[in-house]
Amino acid sequence: DIQMTQSPSTLSASVGDRVTITCRASQSISDWLAWFQKKPGKAPNLLIFKASSLQSGIPSRFSGSGSGTEFTLTISGLQPDDFATYYCQHYSRSSWTFGQGTKVEIK
Amino acid sequence: QMQLLESGGGVVQPGRSLRLSCAVSGFTFRSYGIHWVRQAPGKGLEWVAVISYDGSKTYYADSVKGRLTVSRDNSKDTAYLQMNSLRTEDTAVYYCAKEFTGFWLGDAFDLWGQGTTVIVSS
Repeated sequence: DIQMTQSPSTLSASVGDRVTITCRASQSISDWLAWFQKKPGKAPNLLIFKASSLQSGIPSRFSGSGSGTEFTLTISGLQPDDFATYYCQHYSRSSWTFGQGTKVEIK
Repeated sequence: QMQLLESGGGVVQPGRSLRLSCAVSGFTFRSYGIHWVRQAPGKGLEWVAVISYDGSKTYYADSVKGRLTVSRDNSKDTAYLQMNSLRTEDTAVYYCAKEFTGFWLGDAFDLWGQGTTVIVSS
């Protein structure tokens, strides 16, 4: 089974900061990777699919990059609404795996 | 407006059963694969199961294989998660989610329900 590992687990940042979260796959997954934002009591929200494609309605300050085994989610200019937990997820025809999550908190 | 709505959660004793439902509206249910994902208290997201758009394919996480069964009724625009032999570690908020691309299996999840809470406790 493919394992997804995110780093860091927690990130302290201020409004306006540029934030980068890393997700590593235990083997190559091409670009079959999504990023979600999760807030307490709310459903997860798809931000990025196919590693770098921005979901409709998501602000352009969110961007994704990478392929193979290493991926990044970047938030350029952190906004108050962005403090949340972020998950990467590998998807394929028969396997779906989430990373353990990265909590972005206020410094 | 596209939406998914889970129901059926509650408090149940270990070893007992529960059936969750995921009712959808605003899109052509029969065209999309439906996943179940859970989040235990204080933990991250865990993928649980999926059923293909036509019900011909199902896949499960190892942690639930043999105990949880996913199904769908395309005439009722509803998916189900039958949960048998429940364990305390099944305690979680359960979400259903729709795949992005129709007539496919193996895509990102572009729409989620708000979740239903299952508590397994004696």
